[in-house]
Amino acid sequence: AQKVTQAQTEISVVEKEDVTLDCVYETRDTTYYLFWYKQPPSGELVFLIRRNSFDEQNEISGRYSWNFQKSTSSFNFTITASQVVDSAVYFCALSATTSGTYKYIFGTGTRLKVLA
Amino acid sequence: DTEVTQTPKHLVMGMTNKKSLKCEQHMGHRAMYWYKQKAKKPPELMFVYSYEKLSINESVPSRFSPECPNSSLLNLHLHALQPEDSALYLCASTPEGSGSTDTQYFGPGTRLTVL
Repeated sequence: AQKVTQAQTEISVVEKEDVTLDCVYETRDTTYYLFWYKQPPSGELVFLIRRNSFDEQNEISGRYSWNFQKSTSSFNFTITASQVVDSAVYFCALSATTSGTYKYIFGTGTRLKVLA
Repeated sequence: DTEVTQTPKHLVMGMTNKKSLKCEQHMGHRAMYWYKQKAKKPPELMFVYSYEKLSINESVPSRFSPECPNSSLLNLHLHALQPEDSALYLCASTPEGSGSTDTQYFGPGTRLTVL
């Protein structure tokens, strides 16, 4: 079975603090993709990153960074020097095609509140 | 043009009404998706169209009827909905057909309220 777990339901930080959002996944597929999406109050899901299972390099994009560790089945997301505009719900997702069946599994989301 | 558009932004309807949600993309994407998202929950997949053909129907009640008139347009026809169908309805698209693991690009959603 495939599953994505975001154990942190809600996190509150003060502006300029660093914050890490955790994502743990389960899959038996050897080829799979992991994603992070941001959903601000407006509702649109904004794509942040896509990473395939063969690429364990960490990635940095501005204040955002991602740590992919296959050994622990985790794909964590860190925001450095958080800002109020980072307040949103963040979803981790897993995508794989198992035996020809398409699966795109979202975690339950982490609500991040950045306080001024 | 890298966006998915959805209309209307908000919709309020009675249980006997018939209405439609519209989704459009002009990125040449070959697969389009409908999701339903209840408050404080992740999106739940409803339907997938791949190359204009329905490829996935996640056991959605027949009061929801999808339609894909062409490769850029996806509709969701609503009839005899229940108050529990109130939710944010999100449309997404991917470059390749369904069964791929592409990034999904989402529209802003239609917030539906059923009275």
